[in-house]
Amino acid sequence: AQSVTQLGSHVSVSEGALVLLRCNYSSSVPPYLFWYVQYPNQGLQLLLKYTSAATLVKGINGFEAEFKKSETSFHLTKPSAHMSDAAEYFCAVTLRQTGANNLFFGTGTRLTVIP
Amino acid sequence: DAGVIQSPRHEVTEMGQEVTLRCKPISGHNSLFWYRQTMMRGLELLIYFNNNVPIDDSGMPEDRFSAKMPNASFSTLKIQPSEPRDSAVYFCASSPGQLPYGYTFGSGTRLTVV
Repeated sequence: AQSVTQLGSHVSVSEGALVLLRCNYSSSVPPYLFWYVQYPNQGLQLLLKYTSAATLVKGINGFEAEFKKSETSFHLTKPSAHMSDAAEYFCAVTLRQTGANNLFFGTGTRLTVIP
Repeated sequence: DAGVIQSPRHEVTEMGQEVTLRCKPISGHNSLFWYRQTMMRGLELLIYFNNNVPIDDSGMPEDRFSAKMPNASFSTLKIQPSEPRDSAVYFCASSPGQLPYGYTFGSGTRLTVV
C-alpha cells in the first residue's frame, strides 16, 4: 500500500523566512510524488512532481522539493516566503505501475505567512 | 484550454432533495476523479473513471451517491436523497491517464444541505 504523511497541519512563517513543509511517503515500489497547493475557495493546483529524472525538483512560484529515498521524504521548500504563499499544501503519491493512476493525498498543511 | 469545468459553483438545498453535480474534464483526458473535501476528513476519493468506465467506487459513502460518465466530456455525481452530513466541497479532476501526469482539478462545488 502507498500513503503520505504530512507532519504539521499548520505552519506559520514570517514573510521572507524559509518555508519547509514536510512529507514522508510509504510505498512498496518506487513512487511518483507530487505537491499541490490550494488557495482559498479554489481547487488544487499542481506545484511540482517527482518522476525519477532528478531528485531535486523545481516547481512554480519558487518552490522546490527533494526526493530522499533513504529518508522516504519529499519535503517542500521555498527560500523566502511571500504573503501570497498563504494556502493549504498537499503532498500526494502514486505508484509507477501501468494503470495505477490514482493519487493518494496527505491531510494537508496550512501555511500562514506573517507580515 | 478552459480546464476542468464544474457546475454549479455553489448549491444550497434542503434535506431530502436530489442534488446533481456536473463536471466537464479537459478534452483528451481519459481519467476522471470525484473527490469530497471536508474539514473533518480532508480529501476523499469517491470514484474514478477510465475511458468512461467506473474503475473504483469504493469511496462512495453509501447508496445515496451515484456517478455516471455517459461520454468522454461529461460526468455527473448525484446524491438522492441529500442529508446535512453531505455538506462539503466536491471536486472533479481529470488526467491524461498515463503516468507520471498529475491531476487537473476543477474549482469545486460547495454543497450545503440544510
